[in-house]
Amino acid sequence: DTGVSQDPRHKITKRGQNVTFRCDPISEHNRLYWYRQTLGQGPEFLTYFQNEAQLEKSRLLSDRFSAERPKGSFSTLEIQRTEQGDSAMYLCASSFGGTGANVLTFGAGSRLTVL
Amino acid sequence: GIQVEQSPPDLILQEGANSTLRCNFSDSVNNLQWFHQNPWGQLINLFYIPSGTKQNGRLSATTVATERYSLLYISSSQTTDSGVYFCAWYSGTYKYIFGTGTRLKVLA
Repeated sequence: DTGVSQDPRHKITKRGQNVTFRCDPISEHNRLYWYRQTLGQGPEFLTYFQNEAQLEKSRLLSDRFSAERPKGSFSTLEIQRTEQGDSAMYLCASSFGGTGANVLTFGAGSRLTVL
Repeated sequence: GIQVEQSPPDLILQEGANSTLRCNFSDSVNNLQWFHQNPWGQLINLFYIPSGTKQNGRLSATTVATERYSLLYISSSQTTDSGVYFCAWYSGTYKYIFGTGTRLKVLA
């Protein structure tokens, strides 16, 4: 088990371009979360998947953002027509949501810089 | 909405000193986790502690769910303890809500 993997670790793009981030959760984890963190702030919830179903989305997730988790395995987060305000660290976490504890494990994050 | 507040916001310690970080939350808790974010941005899980007390080496944590707060104790601090400490509150629905963080710097 290699933990939660995120790719790419760093992305620099120009305003208006589309970007996609990938997250590979811990294999036995059925829950997957995306968070966004800007400088000096705590992580903010974006969206949550249980298996392949997207069960909750934050109002932070504008129409330019879309997330998928096909087949309940890896997940992608796409940002269309990027804006400078999208510059942030995008964090993925996974957990096993059974009847016991729901303990989050985070990946190393994908840092986006929009020029 | 739910408020998760951490104090102090910033803390500077001399190596070897002890410290207590506090997390207050505004609603009843199902789960609570403490994380350490290292200088590279990685969030490392320290404790899952919805109630009671746990210890792991020089670190320990206590959550008093009835009074809606949690404490993280760091004893004999080391420079490698530097970083940002977050508590994250979970209601039992879907998402964890993170506090504002305590930025700790330990001086050699």
